Amino acid sequence: EVQLLESGGGLVQPGGSLRLSCAASGFTFSSYAMSWVRQAPGKGLEWVSAITNVGGFTFDSDSVRGRFTISRDNSKSTLFLQMNSLRADDTAIYFCARGLMSRGVITHFDYWGQGTLLTVSS
Amino acid sequence: DIQMTQSPSTLSASVGDRVTITCRASQSIRSWLAWYQQKPGKAPKLLIFKASTLETGVPSRFSGSGSGTEFTLTISSLQPDDFATYYCQQYNNLWTFGQGTKVELK
Repeated sequence: EVQLLESGGGLVQPGGSLRLSCAASGFTFSSYAMSWVRQAPGKGLEWVSAITNVGGFTFDSDSVRGRFTISRDNSKSTLFLQMNSLRADDTAIYFCARGLMSRGVITHFDYWGQGTLLTVSS
Repeated sequence: DIQMTQSPSTLSASVGDRVTITCRASQSIRSWLAWYQQKPGKAPKLLIFKASTLETGVPSRFSGSGSGTEFTLTISSLQPDDFATYYCQQYNNLWTFGQGTKVELK
């Protein structure tokens, strides 16, 4: 059974940093792309960052580029999101999601974790 | 950036109704579109990918159609478990979600 378990969320002051983790199990982690998607309270889904299965090619949304860094450790089946210079509008539930690869391109997301809540507030 | 616009934002319907949600892209995304269902406090669930391909295990009352810039998600006969929020997502160029359509009980 595919499982994705996020952790690391919490309360952080504006300008602070935090690292989220997503532990994967039930599938060959290194065969899949991964992504982070967030959802502000009461709002819709917003794609944040994605990373290919191998080679570590990364993609970031304009709203987080230069502040967030996605990475992965295939030996530990774990995805990370390092978040720096946090702002109030980064407050959201952060979901990790498994991405399908087709001809070297990441397509859609077929499994999602339950999310971890980040609150940025003084 | 590709923008995705869903309509309506809210849809009131009864069990057994045929329901259609529309998603429009700001430029052609060919057939690179997925639909997700999300219930309160839960993770999104993939329903359809490549515009019309049903994900394994998803009931056949769900169907998707369209290509280019206009897409639809249809629920042929709404069931109690289908009251939720639905999102479209393009993956032609990075990833963008629509703003969501909440299907509520009439």
